[in-house]
Amino acid sequence: SQQGEEDPQALSIQEGENATMNCSYKTSINNLQWYRQNSGRGLVHLILIRSNEREKHSGRLRVTLDTSKKSSSLLITASRAADTASYFCATLRGANSKLTFGKGITLSVRP
Amino acid sequence: EAGVVQSPRYKIIEKKQPVAFWCNPISGHNTLYWYLQNLGQGPELLIRYENEEAVDDSQLPKDRFSAERLKGVDSTLKIQPAELGDSAVYLCASSLDIGSTDTQYFGPGTRLTVL
Repeated sequence: SQQGEEDPQALSIQEGENATMNCSYKTSINNLQWYRQNSGRGLVHLILIRSNEREKHSGRLRVTLDTSKKSSSLLITASRAADTASYFCATLRGANSKLTFGKGITLSVRP
Repeated sequence: EAGVVQSPRYKIIEKKQPVAFWCNPISGHNTLYWYLQNLGQGPELLIRYENEEAVDDSQLPKDRFSAERLKGVDSTLKIQPAELGDSAVYLCASSLDIGSTDTQYFGPGTRLTVL
């Protein structure tokens, strides 16, 4: 079963624009993580936000977490063609629970 | 530093044949994970090892799947016999600390096609 649900399923933007991706989940969590997967490659960890945090930044990435709404958003600013990939949110419910991934968002950045 | 290494990268077999995947985690990482990723889906955990002990294998179909992590380093995942529905990407990941809150680093995966 997959707890996280990303929205939209697919996103196409022009290089230089910002990309916003959303994730909703159903149960309380320990932390929420975002991963990127390029075609035919493994997943790359982007950023982790804990349940007691509301916002984190890493380079061009900004992630927010609203535990009252059970939702998170990932913002990629000034997008580049190299950002084209699938993006997954994953939630961890407890210290010894498993990381549960959503179905992913396909982001296409047009040069 | 080398990342998580998996082999083979691709495997094509006929149904009912056995198949094995190998994973070498990042040096020093205590926790190792095997995930299954179907097309258009996110990864789903099959088994998690802390050192050589399987601490979560509730999602592993034990009638045909088996895994081992001898000496707490490399790991192999085996399917015997393979079925058509096993066609997927099998991902291995590792993390430094025991417990599942640490960042996981993924290998490139093995794409299995069962004909």
